[in-house]
Amino acid sequence: GQNIDQPTEMTATEGAIVQINCTYQTSGFNGLFWYQQHAGEAPTFLSYNVLDGLEEKGRFSSFLSRSKGYSYLLLKELQMKDSASYLCAVSDSNYQLIWGAGTKLIIKP
Amino acid sequence: SAVISQKPSRDICQRGTSLTIQCQVDSQVTMMFWYRQQPGQSLTLIATANQGSEATYESGFVIDKFPISRPNLTFSTLTVSNMSPEDSSIYLCSVATADSYNEQFFGPGTRLTVL
Repeated sequence: GQNIDQPTEMTATEGAIVQINCTYQTSGFNGLFWYQQHAGEAPTFLSYNVLDGLEEKGRFSSFLSRSKGYSYLLLKELQMKDSASYLCAVSDSNYQLIWGAGTKLIIKP
Repeated sequence: SAVISQKPSRDICQRGTSLTIQCQVDSQVTMMFWYRQQPGQSLTLIATANQGSEATYESGFVIDKFPISRPNLTFSTLTVSNMSPEDSSIYLCSVATADSYNEQFFGPGTRLTVL
């Protein structure tokens, strides 16, 4: 079967760094996405990885290891507005997105 | 990217009635999807809306309960039929374009409460 695992909830301090992990087992792989979703809002795109390595975009970076079926999202210089759910999704062999359950990130002052 | 609007943004409905949700995109898109997101949960794909043919439904979802239309490349509707309180959820439309490496853009969602 297809499976995406990520922690249910994480807590971090404003100004700190947090890493949200995602492991996956899917039938085929056409890339991995990270989305941010604030409470009551639609998900918004953060990053896309299809090759191994680190993609950096401002305060956010995303890493992929295809051989390990593993990705992480790294958030630096955390701000209160980063409090949200972070969704990991994998595009499978049919280019359909398989979604993880999401990680709720709580930022404390 | 694509700009997506959904109507209604929210509704409160009585058990046994039906609600049709509209999704409008500001450009022609290849693929349109309908998701459900229950409180505190991640996204569950209901179906892929295909232009000019029947929608492709995921396991656990059937056309009689969730009929979908897609008359052109910029518009789709999802109907939630014969509603029960278990259908209370957020319904999201998303689209993917051929030049966006299958990145999906989401509409603002429709928050449905069934009494």
